Amino acid sequence: AQSVTQPDIHITVSEGASLELRCNYSYGATPYLFWYVQSPGQGLQLLLKYFSGDTLVQGIKGFEAEFKRSQSSFNLRKPSVHWSDAAEYFCAGANNNNAGNMLTFGGGTRLMVKP
Amino acid sequence: DGGITQSPKYLFRKEGQNVTLSCEQNLNHDAMYWYRQDPGQGLRLIYYSQIVNDFQKGDIAEGYSVSREKKESFPLTVTSAQKNPTAFYLCASNPRGGEPQHFGDGTRLSIL
Repeated sequence: AQSVTQPDIHITVSEGASLELRCNYSYGATPYLFWYVQSPGQGLQLLLKYFSGDTLVQGIKGFEAEFKRSQSSFNLRKPSVHWSDAAEYFCAGANNNNAGNMLTFGGGTRLMVKP
Repeated sequence: DGGITQSPKYLFRKEGQNVTLSCEQNLNHDAMYWYRQDPGQGLRLIYYSQIVNDFQKGDIAEGYSVSREKKESFPLTVTSAQKNPTAFYLCASNPRGGEPQHFGDGTRLSIL
């Protein structure tokens, strides 16, 4: 069965430090992959998406993610974290025959930012 | 601005009562979805609809019902058969076969 796993439930980083959030996927074929961010009590906002092609994907708010087929990973990165980045981050996948439909979500990673 | 509107933001249910959560979108999207989010967990799919007058069960449909009479609207009813309805409910939509899902701001349902 297809799955998306986020190994880290909580991560704390200092403001200005770099960030990497991990995401691993298990699909029969290369899926479409997404990262979303959720502030408390809010809906999800799309940060970036990977469909095919260039494995380094740029998103909004200074985030990027790298697709690594050999590691079945799609990790999210940011060079310098701001206090406003504190939120919950979700990685999600979809079969590549119906992009964006039928998402499978990871369990989420809650990011805390220290001043 | 185009988007997805969920209402109400907070909802309380009494024992044995059905309640309906509203989801409206003006993005002209064909597909709409309902998710349930519990603390510390990811999102789980309740129901989805890819076209008007048609919908399918997701992973946790028991105790819920939906309708899709209009393209813009996809209301979710939490029935009395749902024994643990306390959760955050998110509605989403996207064009068929293409772009990522867009999300509303959610409805938090609690039991009185």
